[in-house]
Amino acid sequence: GENVEQHPSTLSVQEGDSAVIKCTYSDSASNYFPWYKQELGKRPQLIIDIRSNVGEKKDQRIAVTLNKTAKHFSLHITETQPEDSAVYFCAASIRSGGSYIPTFGRGTSLIVHP
Amino acid sequence: SAVISQKPSRDICQRGTSLTIQCQVDSQVTMMFWYRQQPGQSLTLIATANQGSEATYESGFVIDKFPISRPNLTFSTLTVSNMSPEDSSIYLCSVGGGIMNTEAFFGQGTRLTVV
Repeated sequence: GENVEQHPSTLSVQEGDSAVIKCTYSDSASNYFPWYKQELGKRPQLIIDIRSNVGEKKDQRIAVTLNKTAKHFSLHITETQPEDSAVYFCAASIRSGGSYIPTFGRGTSLIVHP
Repeated sequence: SAVISQKPSRDICQRGTSLTIQCQVDSQVTMMFWYRQQPGQSLTLIATANQGSEATYESGFVIDKFPISRPNLTFSTLTVSNMSPEDSSIYLCSVGGGIMNTEAFFGQGTRLTVV
C-alpha cells in the first residue's frame, strides 16, 4: 500500500517568512497530491492540490511542487501570516479496486509568530 | 464539492457502552471513509464503506469493534462498541477519492470522550 512521509512535524516561523513542508510517497501509481489545512477544532479542508501531469501549481501565497521521479512533493507558503498557523496534511491516493483511497501524512504543525 | 453533516459533534460516554456516529452527505457517493484522529495526530483510516457491500477495514481495526452501516449512497454510520478510555478520540467521516480521484471532504468530526 501507499506510505506517505511528511516533514517536519513542527515548523515555527516569524510572520513574513516562508514555510516549506515536504512529503514523500512510495506508490509510483499515485497521481493526485492534495494538501489540507486543519485549524484547531475544525475539519481538514483542501488548500491546494496537484496532479501528476503538472510539476508546479501556485495560488497566491501558496504553491505546490511535485517531483514524480523522486516521489516527493512540497508545500510552499510565502509571506506567512498568523492566520496561517494550523496543522497541514499532505496526501497521496492509492488505487484499490478501481477507485482511489487517500493516504495522509502525519501532519505539520505550523506556528507563525507575529 | 460535497457537504457532510456528522453527528453527534461530541459525546461523553461510559466505558463498556456503544456510540453510533451518523454521517449524511448532500450527494450520492460510492465510497465513504471513516477516520480516527487522536490528539495531535494524523488521520488514521478505520474503514472504507461502500453501499451494498461489507466495509473494508484497515489493519488494526475489526468489524466487531467498529461496525459500519451503509444503507444508501448518502448515509453511513460508525459504531464504537464496548468503549474504553483508549477509544477517546475524534472520529471523522469523509468522501472523496473514488474513480475520479478527487479531493476529500470531511464531516465536522465527533469528539468522543470515554470515562
